[in-house]
Amino acid sequence: DGGITQSPKYLFRKEGQNVTLSCEQNLNHDAMYWYRQDPGQGLRLIYYSQIVNDFQKGDIAEGYSVSREKKESFPLTVTSAQKNPTAFYLCASSPPGSYEQYFGPGTRLTVT
Amino acid sequence: AQTVTQSQPEMSVQEAETVTLSCTYDTSENNYYLFWYKQPPSRQMILVIRQEAYKQQNATENRFSVNFQKAAKSFSLKISDSQLGDTAMYFCAFFGRSNDYKLSFGAGTTVTVRA
Repeated sequence: DGGITQSPKYLFRKEGQNVTLSCEQNLNHDAMYWYRQDPGQGLRLIYYSQIVNDFQKGDIAEGYSVSREKKESFPLTVTSAQKNPTAFYLCASSPPGSYEQYFGPGTRLTVT
Repeated sequence: AQTVTQSQPEMSVQEAETVTLSCTYDTSENNYYLFWYKQPPSRQMILVIRQEAYKQQNATENRFSVNFQKAAKSFSLKISDSQLGDTAMYFCAFFGRSNDYKLSFGAGTTVTVRA
């Protein structure tokens, strides 16, 4: 089955630790995206990548980092510089030439 | 980022009834795309319906239809014959050149379908 996987579903970390969220897709999509969702707010774009080895900052990139070494994978690292890291994180991908995005199941990160 | 406004934080509807969710957006473009996404309690984002701005005809997908008013920059979603499985948060989203071809989301409307 083709799709987008995010693991784990729930993640707990202590304040001051970096944590990496996984996003993998086997849809052969070129573009991949990371969003953050907080209660009462829509999704906000953190980073996106249109092609391997290239990525751009979204609207709220501070305190986050990404890499795109493989087409299938777009991991997001939440660094200790992110002041409010507790949130729901969604990964998405988009096929070439398309404006539609397909979403993974998300990861709920809790930092205490 | 592009502004997308959903003015109804919560709505409740009786099963089999109709509910309409509002969405307005701000753009100076002529060509763009609009979407409604559904996020049920599982939190999986599901594309419900899409509308291309250059098409005058309103999009329809089974019980879901939109009222696209381009001049008014309004894009409402109508859910007909509401079912319990329609209970979810619904997000309106804009995609266009003015937003560097990225999706901008509204804050969402929580819809609860009552049995």
